[in-house]
This record gives sequence, structure tokens and C-alpha cells, in this order.
Amino acid sequence: NAGVMQNPRHLVRRRGQEARLRCSPMKGHSHVYWYRQLPEEGLKFMVYLQKENIIDESGMPKERFSAEFPKEGPSILRIQQVVRGDSAAYFCASSLLATSGGYTTRDTQYFGPGTRLTVL
Amino acid sequence: QQQVKQSPQSLIVQKGGISIINCAYENTAFDYFPWYQQFPGKGPALLIAIRPDVSEKKEGRFTISFNKSAKQFSLHIMDSQPGDSATYFCAASNYNNDMRFGAGTRLTVKP
Repeated sequence: NAGVMQNPRHLVRRRGQEARLRCSPMKGHSHVYWYRQLPEEGLKFMVYLQKENIIDESGMPKERFSAEFPKEGPSILRIQQVVRGDSAAYFCASSLLATSGGYTTRDTQYFGPGTRLTVL
Repeated sequence: QQQVKQSPQSLIVQKGGISIINCAYENTAFDYFPWYQQFPGKGPALLIAIRPDVSEKKEGRFTISFNKSAKQFSLHIMDSQPGDSATYFCAASNYNNDMRFGAGTRLTVKP
């Protein structure tokens, strides 16, 4: 069972260009999460999506950032008009909806290898 | 607002020693506490996790201790090895799986 896939692994953009980051969740997982990690810092939650729905985008910057998880295909994190401050590693994670002891919860999040975005 | 506080920021341990990393949380709605291990250039990988109905969970050399009343939990790595050198993140999530991470601890195990 392949793990979470992300591409590209490295992405270089000039200021003002657009960056598109892709994430394919683990087989059978219907929940996707995006995180940003700055050098020497922890992971900052950005957005949580299910197929065709944004569940929680409380960590997304209000402008220039958007995310989608279409019915078919990978989840996309899109950054328009990139600035140098957008340079970071972007990780996506996926999880399975699980039922245990009568409660429905979302299972452990499994992370992809990340996309390292560099804005020149 | 930092919902999960992690310490120390960095830790140096001799081979064979015990590595201890501590985390504290604020939101009592958190009910799942995983630890992730991250090597340079890689994504975080789940190491071990605990739910608040138990006070301790052990898997091999890794143990989580959980104190619900103090809202604290810690990771203990017994017989630390150079291969354990990595950054460790604690995290906490609620039933919606809104996960919040600590800032990370860079562990170096000296041979």
C-alpha cells in the first residue's frame, strides 16, 4: 500500500508566480490535511479537506492561498503571486474515517514527504 | 496561540542514555496524543500515540507517559541510539482530528 504521495518534491518559483502543490492520499483515505513548516519550526495546520469539501481552513492565509480535493485526482494547494515569505516545506497528511467503540473518529494522520517551495 | 508547548527545544544525550521530551496542552477537548519523528528532508512519521484513558503506553524503547490532570505528556526513549537522532514533535487532536503540533525537539544522540 503506497504511502502519501506529494509532488513535486522541490519547487522553485519567482516572486509573483503561482505554485501548485499536489497530494495523493493513501489508498482508501478520504481526509487530507495540509501543513506548512518553516525552517527550525514545527508544523502549522493550514487546511483540512474531504472529497469536494473544505472542512476547516482556519489556518489558511486569507489571500493568495486556496486548496481543493476534487472527486477524482489529487488534492491541490495553490499559492498565487508567491512572495519570499511563502518559502517553506509544505506537507500533506491523510487519514481514514474510523469507528471504534461506537464512536466515529478520524484515524491517525500519515504524512507525505513534503514539497519544498523556494521563492526567489 | 500555541496550544501545545514542547520542551526542550534541543537535547543531547549519550548513547545508551534516556531521552525525555515533555509536552503540555491547554485544550481539554484533545483526546489523542501522537508523537512524530522527522529526519532531515523527510516527512514526519508516526512513532507512538496515546489516548487519555491510559497513563502510559510502551512500544519497544519508546514510552509515552500521560498525566491528564496536569495536561502533560512526555516521550521517553530508553537506551538512546545515534539512529534516534531526529526532530520529535508531539501533537494533540480532538475528535475532529484538528491536530496541533508542538514546536519540536531536536535530539542528538552522541556515540
